[in-house]
Order: sequence, then C-alpha cells, then structure tokens
Amino acid sequence: AQKITQTQPGMFVQEKEAVTLDCTYDTSDPSYGLFWYKQPSSGEMIFLIYQGSYDQQNATEGRYSLNFQKARKSANLVISASQLGDSAMYFCAMREGVTNAGKSTFGDGTTLTVKP
Amino acid sequence: DAMVIQNPRYQVTQFGKPVTLSCSQTLNHNVMYWYQQKSSQAPKLLFHYYDKDFNNEADTPDNFQSRRPNTSFCFLDIRSPGLGDAAMYLCATSRDKGLGETQYFGPGTRLLVL
Repeated sequence: AQKITQTQPGMFVQEKEAVTLDCTYDTSDPSYGLFWYKQPSSGEMIFLIYQGSYDQQNATEGRYSLNFQKARKSANLVISASQLGDSAMYFCAMREGVTNAGKSTFGDGTTLTVKP
Repeated sequence: DAMVIQNPRYQVTQFGKPVTLSCSQTLNHNVMYWYQQKSSQAPKLLFHYYDKDFNNEADTPDNFQSRRPNTSFCFLDIRSPGLGDAAMYLCATSRDKGLGETQYFGPGTRLLVL
C-alpha cells in the first residue's frame, strides 16, 4: 500500500481564488511528520509547511495552511489567494517514527496551474 | 546566499561512462540525502549520510555509490550509467534526523544518458 497518496494529478485554479490539494497517508506509527513541498519547473524543491502528528493546531505559513484530519489520515494543503507564481508541482511527504526519521516518503505530486 | 549547491545543473554522459554529481552545502547540516526523480514522479531516496554514517536504501542499485569526504560535500557516483538512469538527481540536507527537521534541497542535476 502506498504510504502517501495524492489523488489529483492536475488541478486548475483561477488567480486570487483558494485551492485545496489533497494528501492522505498510511502509517501505524503514532509519531510522524507531514510536509508539503513545491517544485517549480526549474526543479528545486521548496519547503512550504510542516505538521507534526502531535500538533494540536493546524499549521499555517502565510498563504499556506494545512488541514490536518488525523482520524481520516489526511493532510490537505490549502493555498489562499492563488498567484500565477504558485503554478508548480506540489508534493506531500511523510516521516515516520524515531528510527526511521531520516527518510521521507513522497507522494506522486499534484500539478497546479493558476489561470489568469 | 545559496545553501545547497549542485554541480553541474545539466550533465550529459554516454552509456556506460562513469559520471560524478556533486553537492555542497553552507548550512553545516549533519544529514545529506540523494534522491532520484524521474519525470513527473515522486523523488526516490537513494541513500543518505548522517554525519559519516552511510545509509543505503535496500532497492538502490549497486551502480550507485556515494562519498562524503567532509561535512560540506557529498558526491553521487554512477559507475556505469544506463539509459534508465536518466533523471533529475536532487541533493538535500537537514540539520538532524528528527521528525520535524526540514529538508533543504538543491536545484538538482539533470542527467542525460546517450
């Protein structure tokens, strides 16, 4: 079974609107961390936001927020007020446990296109 | 103020000809990673170093080797590149291996095998 599932290969959003990118995960480890990265066409992966499994509140970083629903094992990324520069591939990733914490498992990504 | 630097950005090699990709970091991070990313796919971890401790992924082909001569530098050696090794190779670092440690990625090296 895939550890990280991103069910939307591609998404479109109108400039200035909000968009939600889905991510579900699978783990039996009570300790884990969830990350979202942005990868523009230039190739560099850019860290956006982090949510720890024990965090009580949903993470927010500027226009990015993470809708963390632990019981559903979902960690959706919400981008508010989309900008043309948000067009990129977005990856959800997870780290599990303490002994395995050096490694991140990535989802297959969602390509976001922001339309003017 | 580049933090993770990868050279070259583009590398062309011939089938079977050894090639080395390099990564350097100015962050003084303990952990360095190498990922392989094929077109429109998830990055796949090849190996990582925690300080000098080398950790190979079970499914990383023997064709791929790595060296970390000091904290700042890490190299990816592909001994006999095949056509299937054409990909983007991403280097990343993190301060430590804790759950919340952010990985900082370099711009990647795009490898083409002729």
